[in-house]
Amino acid sequence: GQNIDQPTEMTATEGAIVQINCTYQTSGFNGLFWYQQHAGEAPTFLSYNVLDGLEEKGRFSSFLSRSKGYSYLLLKELQMKDSASYLCASSGAGSYQLTFGKGTKLSVIP
Amino acid sequence: GAGVSQSPRYKVAKRGQDVALRCDPISGHVSLFWYQQALGQGPEFLTYFQNEAQLDKSGLPSDRFFAERPEGSVSTLKIQRTQQEDSAVYLCASSLDRTGGYGYTFGSGTRLTVV
Repeated sequence: GQNIDQPTEMTATEGAIVQINCTYQTSGFNGLFWYQQHAGEAPTFLSYNVLDGLEEKGRFSSFLSRSKGYSYLLLKELQMKDSASYLCASSGAGSYQLTFGKGTKLSVIP
Repeated sequence: GAGVSQSPRYKVAKRGQDVALRCDPISGHVSLFWYQQALGQGPEFLTYFQNEAQLDKSGLPSDRFFAERPEGSVSTLKIQRTQQEDSAVYLCASSLDRTGGYGYTFGSGTRLTVV
């Protein structure tokens, strides 16, 4: 399997920057996904990293280090609507299913 | 449709009752997945269909769980003789091809509560 570890909860201030870390087992690893899930809603796709490095998409960026089994999601210029759970998920080589972490509940405060 | 539709949105079942959860994927999406999300946890894989073929059911927790997709579009997840540990949100996702996560679209889920 590909155990995923991420912090349970984080709190950050509106307008600030927050980094949510994720570690995973590297054996059989293919790619790393981040999803956003508001309470009671469907997870929505944020980013997908296969290669090492930083992928930037507007206020959200995602980083991957394959050798270290490490990823992070960076959220800039935080807005109240960013309060949600952020799910880190990995896929295995040749596999279609995703293995999810437990999610990081982010609370953005004024 | 524009998104993945799941029904019912909420279901309360008495222990021992059978339930059926429906997923209507995005039109033309080949791949369909069912995930189970317990409170405070991430989604866990249950089963995968490519068109009407169930290619992987390794995540189904017991033989009380059964899924089908007879015509390669709508899918039904059936749980027989429900137990309290079955209480969770059941998420359906579809994908245009079999590549998996990239391009998954999730439905809003069915929240099942077994009392």
